[in-house]
Amino acid sequence: RKEVEQDPGPFNVPEGATVAFNCTYSNSASQSFFWYRQDCRKEPKLLMSVYSSGNEDGRFTAQLNRASQYISLLIRDSKLSDSATYLCVVNEDNNNDMRFGAGTRLTVKP
Amino acid sequence: DVKVTQSSRYLVKRTGEKVFLECVQDMDHENMFWYRQDPGLGLRLIYFSYDVKMKEKGDIPEGYSVSREKKERFSLILESASTNQTSMYLCASSSMWEDQPQHFGDGTRLSIL
Repeated sequence: RKEVEQDPGPFNVPEGATVAFNCTYSNSASQSFFWYRQDCRKEPKLLMSVYSSGNEDGRFTAQLNRASQYISLLIRDSKLSDSATYLCVVNEDNNNDMRFGAGTRLTVKP
Repeated sequence: DVKVTQSSRYLVKRTGEKVFLECVQDMDHENMFWYRQDPGLGLRLIYFSYDVKMKEKGDIPEGYSVSREKKERFSLILESASTNQTSMYLCASSSMWEDQPQHFGDGTRLSIL
């Protein structure tokens, strides 16, 4: 079983739609969690950290469910510019040993 | 802003060559990482370093070595390049604190012919 699993998609949604991605992780001792965004042929860039209490940044909301060992990313009012691959990242231990999901591809269409 | 700079954006080498990929960060980060990214496989950790002259194997270290002589620089070395090492290579750095994210360089797209 993979340590971090994501639905690879692709998710094809119209502009203005709300879309949600989930990501499950296997190590219950995982300490910190992040969502990265990666555009085609570019490097991953930090989108947001995921806090235990859940957090929101504009149209983006991230949540953590420790009991079920998953994190989620919700995007409201999708824009064309949201089209990208979204990587779920889980930091497993004190050495900053990050585990990456394979990514979920999102395409927002006009 | 954190700046992680990889020496080459695109690189073409031949089988058997020794290849050096260089990475420099300007944020005085303790941790540095080398990943490769392949379609359908996501990012896989090759090696990481949490201090000068320290290195740890990641998930796929075979065929690679690394060097960290200075805090800001982390080099990935392909001792004898093979075609299955054709990939996108990404360097990242982070501070020592466990809740801090990693910051990535632009990546080096390496082709081994």
